[in-house]
Amino acid sequence: ETGVTQSPTHLIKTRGQQVTLRCSSQSGHNTVSWYQQALGQGPQFIFQYYREEENGRGNFPPRFSGLQFPNYSSELNVNALELDDSALYLCASTHGGQGGTEAFFGQGTRLTVV
Amino acid sequence: EDQVTQSPEALRLQEGESSSLNCSYTVSGLRGLFWYRQDPGKGPEFLFTLYSAGEEKEKERLKATLTKKESFLHITAPKPEDSATYLCAVQMIGQNFVFGPGTRLSVLP
Repeated sequence: ETGVTQSPTHLIKTRGQQVTLRCSSQSGHNTVSWYQQALGQGPQFIFQYYREEENGRGNFPPRFSGLQFPNYSSELNVNALELDDSALYLCASTHGGQGGTEAFFGQGTRLTVV
Repeated sequence: EDQVTQSPEALRLQEGESSSLNCSYTVSGLRGLFWYRQDPGKGPEFLFTLYSAGEEKEKERLKATLTKKESFLHITAPKPEDSATYLCAVQMIGQNFVFGPGTRLSVLP
């Protein structure tokens, strides 16, 4: 058990809808990163939050947005869902704004867009 | 462009048949190289971190090594429960992780 929890575990949405995914980071970790993992591929970095500020972003459009709260938990919001957004969304927590050392991952949220 | 590749894409072994997985990278300013294990539908599980060329780390039947351009994950006498996807990731200074596509390992009894 890593101590990183994500909710919900599974979700089905319709194209064009909006979705919010949630992540509680491991105790003592102040940095949260989000990744998108398509079937059969490695995780792709979406963005990172450190002390409630976004401090790094991958090659994802602005309809992917996030928040980090004072207790270091985080949300990933995706607007105007597209079929290609179907994937496993992973949250990882580390300590330190520069990505820290090893990242501990949650179990992921499986999003299906129909 | 920073890039991480892994080979083979998939590997089938008989129980007890040792082998190695490869992770090659072209990045600037490597901070660390990480190996993760991922079971279907689950998040990656941390295995090892390697920081400098020549470094080695072991855990049960797994041994990870690092050179300047690649890392190997050696699996000695694997068991069916070692079946999973093994992911390699590199972390550059001031950056997040860049993952490879993974190697799907199947160990047959």
